[in-house]
Amino acid sequence: NAGVTQTPKFRVLKTGQSMTLLCAQDMNHEYMYWYRQDPGMGLRLIHYSVGEGTTAKGEVPDGYNVSRLKKQNFLLGLESAAPSQTSVYFCASTLAGASNQPQHFGDGTRLSIL
Amino acid sequence: DAKTTQPTSMDCAEGRAANLPCNHSTISGNEYVYWYRQIHSQGPQYIIHGLKNNETNEMASLIITEDRKSSTLILPHATLRDTAVYYCIALTTDSWGKLQFGAGTQVVVTP
Repeated sequence: NAGVTQTPKFRVLKTGQSMTLLCAQDMNHEYMYWYRQDPGMGLRLIHYSVGEGTTAKGEVPDGYNVSRLKKQNFLLGLESAAPSQTSVYFCASTLAGASNQPQHFGDGTRLSIL
Repeated sequence: DAKTTQPTSMDCAEGRAANLPCNHSTISGNEYVYWYRQIHSQGPQYIIHGLKNNETNEMASLIITEDRKSSTLILPHATLRDTAVYYCIALTTDSWGKLQFGAGTQVVVTP
């Protein structure tokens, strides 16, 4: 049971380039989330999804797009990368949106934008 | 979701109990108290959660005051591997599971 898997683990981009981060979970979880974490800070929610085909904005959605075409996958896209998007990105999933279910996190994608 | 307040940092001796406080004075009746930890550069790890009653699992115990305005996470026998940032989060039933992380408490376990 792999849990939550993020791809890639590391990436360096130039300003203006685009890329997609992939999150895959094998726990049949309905809810999935993308967070970013900047140095010395807690995680901040970018976008989330409460089911296949649905997405919603979180606290810091600007500059990002997401898609949930399959239940097990949640994609995070950067259309035109900016240095301010240099961060560590974490994906998480949970069985349902009820607050008595913990979230399971991936190991993160470390993204640097030059 | 209610705001939580935690100390910035604390030290603990290996083998001793670590008691991590969290204040959530504005917590509402349908908000759970969750604890996660983040070991250096890894993804956050769920520890424990509770609503009203004290809870215990293989990792820790959670003590919630009767008025629910504060709680304490107890690591009964701290090890060096418990060195991490610990996050206390209040989560309502209607928030779609969205977690709001603060800065957390940096816990350093020393030999």
